[in-house]
Amino acid sequence: KAGVTQTPRYLIKTRGQQVTLSCSPISGHRSVSWYQQTPGQGLQFLFEYFSETQRNKGNFPGRFSGRQFSNSRSEMNVSTLELGDSALYLCASSLTNQGALNEQFFGPGTRLTVL
Amino acid sequence: ILNVEQSPQSLHVQEGDSTNFTCSFPSSNFYALHWYRWETAKSPEALFVMTLNGDEKKKGRISATLNTKEGYSYLYIKGSQPEDSATYLCAFHAGNMLTFGGGTRLMVKP
Repeated sequence: KAGVTQTPRYLIKTRGQQVTLSCSPISGHRSVSWYQQTPGQGLQFLFEYFSETQRNKGNFPGRFSGRQFSNSRSEMNVSTLELGDSALYLCASSLTNQGALNEQFFGPGTRLTVL
Repeated sequence: ILNVEQSPQSLHVQEGDSTNFTCSFPSSNFYALHWYRWETAKSPEALFVMTLNGDEKKKGRISATLNTKEGYSYLYIKGSQPEDSATYLCAFHAGNMLTFGGGTRLMVKP
């Protein structure tokens, strides 16, 4: 079974631009969560999607948004990029909507650098 | 904002040593406690998902215990090997999302 894939793996943008990151979950997994990892803040939850609906959202500004498609693939978008958005963005999929009980399977991440 | 603390932040041990680290989390609204292992240049990998007070889980040389009433979990590694070198993350689930601790970075010297 193929693992979670994320594209692109690396991205360089400038302040004020917007960016879209993509995540394809493991086949059959319907829940996709997004996380931001920075050296100072560790791994922080952005949002979770299940069956094309955002179920939970972390404490991030409205510039961070996402969506999920009918095939469970997910995208996250960051508008008006700031220097502080430079981070590793990880996506994780799990089998069901029982988020607490299901282990998360993580992708390799997208490393975003904002100049 | 939920507070999930891990200690120590980093640990250097010799091959063959046994070691353990701690994850502290809120004792209310507990749904689950996850442990992940994150090797450099790889993706985090799930070790355990623990849900019941007193739970003990084991995978090879790695085991974990859970005390939900006092809000802590221990991860034990018996006979550490260089391939155990990684960052070990715990994450607390309060019903809506996972809140991760800062991790314990383990380095095992041959």
